[in-house]
Amino acid sequence: DAKTTQPTSMDCAEGRAANLPCNHSTISGNEYVYWYRQIHSQGPQYIIHGLKNNETNEMASLIITEDRKSSTLILPHATLRDTAVYYCIVRNDYGQNFVFGPGTRLSVLP
Amino acid sequence: KAGVTQTPRYLIKTRGQQVTLSCSPISGHRSVSWYQQTPGQGLQFLFEYFSETQRNKGNFPGRFSGRQFSNSRSEMNVSTLELGDSALYLCASSFEGQTYEQYFGPGTRLTVT
Repeated sequence: DAKTTQPTSMDCAEGRAANLPCNHSTISGNEYVYWYRQIHSQGPQYIIHGLKNNETNEMASLIITEDRKSSTLILPHATLRDTAVYYCIVRNDYGQNFVFGPGTRLSVLP
Repeated sequence: KAGVTQTPRYLIKTRGQQVTLSCSPISGHRSVSWYQQTPGQGLQFLFEYFSETQRNKGNFPGRFSGRQFSNSRSEMNVSTLELGDSALYLCASSFEGQTYEQYFGPGTRLTVT
């Protein structure tokens, strides 16, 4: 079973920041938080991952709370092409497979 | 770098037949994982191969098998196909390391009639 809980769906206005929450209250010390997204009928796309520090790359920012029990993926300026299912996954540092939950269906509205 | 490639992209088979799907990982990646995605069950892990050895296995029947070649290319095989095997089969590759992210291919859409 997935170790994370996410809202089923969210809407965001085009050009605004999309903030996608994820709860992972049972995360252990050697587990990382990964985010992927899947645009309809395509393979999932890696977005970002982190352990305890906030992370930023060209696609998004990842904010992890100090107790590491939750995190937020931030798409700073959402576009229509960001409409997708977003998956938050907790995974240890070596050898463990990814367990995908149902994710959050983000709809970016014009 | 070229991404993960999967062949064929679409396949139609009949119940009872068998099928082989192919995956070529990103150059330099030694780990290949396979997933099945269906509307009812979502994305489910099938197995992972690293250096020609199966390293992890999901909860699927023995009809599902795979292998990896010395060049890291991988194949998965499904024997005695059932209607419920209709799905998108995704392959993902990763570089061996402590926190390696997986990169997915476009998938093979298998329809069993």
